[in-house]
Amino acid sequence: GNSVTQMEGPVTLSEEAFLTINCTYTATGYPSLFWYVQYPGEGLQLLLKATKADDKGSNKGFEATYRKETTSFHLEKGSVQVSDSAVYFCALSEKAGTALIFGKGTTLSVSS
Amino acid sequence: GAVVSQHPSRVICKSGTSVKIECRSLDFQATTMFWYRQFPKKSLMLMATSNEGSKATYEQGVEKDKFLINHASLTLSTLTVTSAHPEDSSFYICSAREPTDSTDTQYFGPGTRLTVL
Repeated sequence: GNSVTQMEGPVTLSEEAFLTINCTYTATGYPSLFWYVQYPGEGLQLLLKATKADDKGSNKGFEATYRKETTSFHLEKGSVQVSDSAVYFCALSEKAGTALIFGKGTTLSVSS
Repeated sequence: GAVVSQHPSRVICKSGTSVKIECRSLDFQATTMFWYRQFPKKSLMLMATSNEGSKATYEQGVEKDKFLINHASLTLSTLTVTSAHPEDSSFYICSAREPTDSTDTQYFGPGTRLTVL
């Protein structure tokens, strides 16, 4: 079945460091891919998305490129801030109207 | 973007009582909403798919008689935890798909923290 695998956390970085959170997926078709962020005590917010191969999603300095050849959708940010501390979830949608399949989430902690 | 609300944000109840959680799409109509459960430091587990005007579709292992879902209108789905027990304590999150969004983005509510004493 379809699945999403994220790197285990927590990830601890200093402010202005470079961030990569790896995400790979298994899917039978051509899924849409998403990154969601969850701040402490809150629900999930869409961070970025990509719907086809080679698409790059970007938002708030974060980027991720849909790589079909490696079935990956790694999240990157060039310079993290303390306010980026949160849990990041990679997810896929196999087809329109179906529920999302989530990775286990990666906790990011950024210190000043 | 589309906004989804949940009410209440937190609820504490006694064991054996029932709790209703509301999920509303504020600025769009959602024919389909999803209910997830999130355990501490765990990912989200899909509980059920709520379809407006029809019965919900439950995931394997989720008791439909315990977690009652009603999607009576295009903007409201409710999850009722019946005869709640401490093991039902969790963070419950709903999401809705904005039907005119061709990218199939789902928008999430802020979640409801349920604590059963």
